[in-house]
Amino acid sequence: NAGVMQNPRHLVRRRGQEARLRCSPMKGHSHVYWYRQLPEEGLKFMVYLQKENIIDESGMPKERFSAEFPKEGPSILRIQQVVRGDSAAYFCASSSMGETSTDTQYFGPGTRLTVL
Amino acid sequence: QKEVEQNSGPLSVPEGAIASLNCTYSDRGSQSFFWYRQYSGKSPELIMSIYSNGDKEDGRFTAQLNKASQYVSLLIRDSQPSDSATYLCAVRLNDYKLSFGAGTTVTVRA
Repeated sequence: NAGVMQNPRHLVRRRGQEARLRCSPMKGHSHVYWYRQLPEEGLKFMVYLQKENIIDESGMPKERFSAEFPKEGPSILRIQQVVRGDSAAYFCASSSMGETSTDTQYFGPGTRLTVL
Repeated sequence: QKEVEQNSGPLSVPEGAIASLNCTYSDRGSQSFFWYRQYSGKSPELIMSIYSNGDKEDGRFTAQLNKASQYVSLLIRDSQPSDSATYLCAVRLNDYKLSFGAGTTVTVRA
């Protein structure tokens, strides 16, 4: 029973490059959430997606960041023109029911982005 | 005021003792509460969820919820060195968004 999968696990980029983070939800889950964890800080919600739809992107910076969850394939979090402040662990979570009070989000192993 | 606040750590307890973790939240309408454990460099792992007032026990873990006081806690009984980790309190603010506390780091001394 594969859990949430993320790749790459570690990503190093130079300032100005693009970073693409991938997330495959747990089998049977159609709801995907992205969170960011800065060093010594808690997790912060970024975006919530269902297949082909962005439901809530209120936690995502307006510029340089985008997310998608296509009909086929993994969810992608894309960061354009990375800056040092983007260095963080990016976690993807998935759930089966989405907007219900008892829904549980399960987290992937994360992608640790380092911007040089 | 932060949406979710946890008692400041780190918390050091001897092996076999009870570790007590506290969490308060600001949104009185919150309905769902979770405790995640995160080992250093790893992803959060769900250990408890609680939705109604009172206690919920699962093995050595007990979660307590008091919605009137906007307070949720986690007790770890018979603490083991393997319990050494950061414990994250999470509150569902609407139907899907989780808000996390900064975490409390627990160290169990052998």
